[in-house]
Amino acid sequence: KAGVTQTPRYLIKTRGQQVTLSCSPISGHRSVSWYQQTPGQGLQFLFEYFSETQRNKGNFPGRFSGRQFSNSRSEMNVSTLELGDSALYLCASSLAGQGAGNTIYFGEGSWLTVV
Amino acid sequence: AQSVTQPDIHITVSEGASLELRCNYSYGATPYLFWYVQSPGQGLQLLLKYFSGDTLVQGIKGFEAEFKRSQSSFNLRKPSVHWSDAAEYFCAAQNQAGTALIFGKGTTLSVSS
Repeated sequence: KAGVTQTPRYLIKTRGQQVTLSCSPISGHRSVSWYQQTPGQGLQFLFEYFSETQRNKGNFPGRFSGRQFSNSRSEMNVSTLELGDSALYLCASSLAGQGAGNTIYFGEGSWLTVV
Repeated sequence: AQSVTQPDIHITVSEGASLELRCNYSYGATPYLFWYVQSPGQGLQLLLKYFSGDTLVQGIKGFEAEFKRSQSSFNLRKPSVHWSDAAEYFCAAQNQAGTALIFGKGTTLSVSS
């Protein structure tokens, strides 16, 4: 069974540009979450999608957005990139994501560098 | 506010020695608890999880963790550390409404020969 797949793995963007990251969850998983990891702030929750609906959102500015498609694949977008957006962005999937103790599995992440 | 604390930023253990990584949580009710490991440049790999029941849980790679409600702790242990265990370890919690994982700041494990 394939794990959580994220693309691209590495990318470099210029300040002010926008970026789109993609995530394919484990087959059968309907919940996809996104996390940002930086040396200073650690791992922080961005948002969670379930059945194409955003179900939960972390404390990030509106420049960070996401969506989920009918096949459960998800994308996250960051507009007007800032230097501080340089981070590892991790996607996670679970069967249902809410309640009943669903195990959450992470992908390898997308490394974003903003210059 | 809900939080997860890993008191040790960096730990060095000799190969073959035992290991214990500490994790404390602050939640209104007992959360679901997880330990993940991250090797340099990689994503997070789930080591083990606690949802309910037996307070001693077994995970992969010979790791185990013990949930202690009275101490709000979920410490990770391994009886004999291998050089390949060197990595960063994260404790995480999730409330039973099943929303976001809250992570500790992580503990970096170094293994000396």
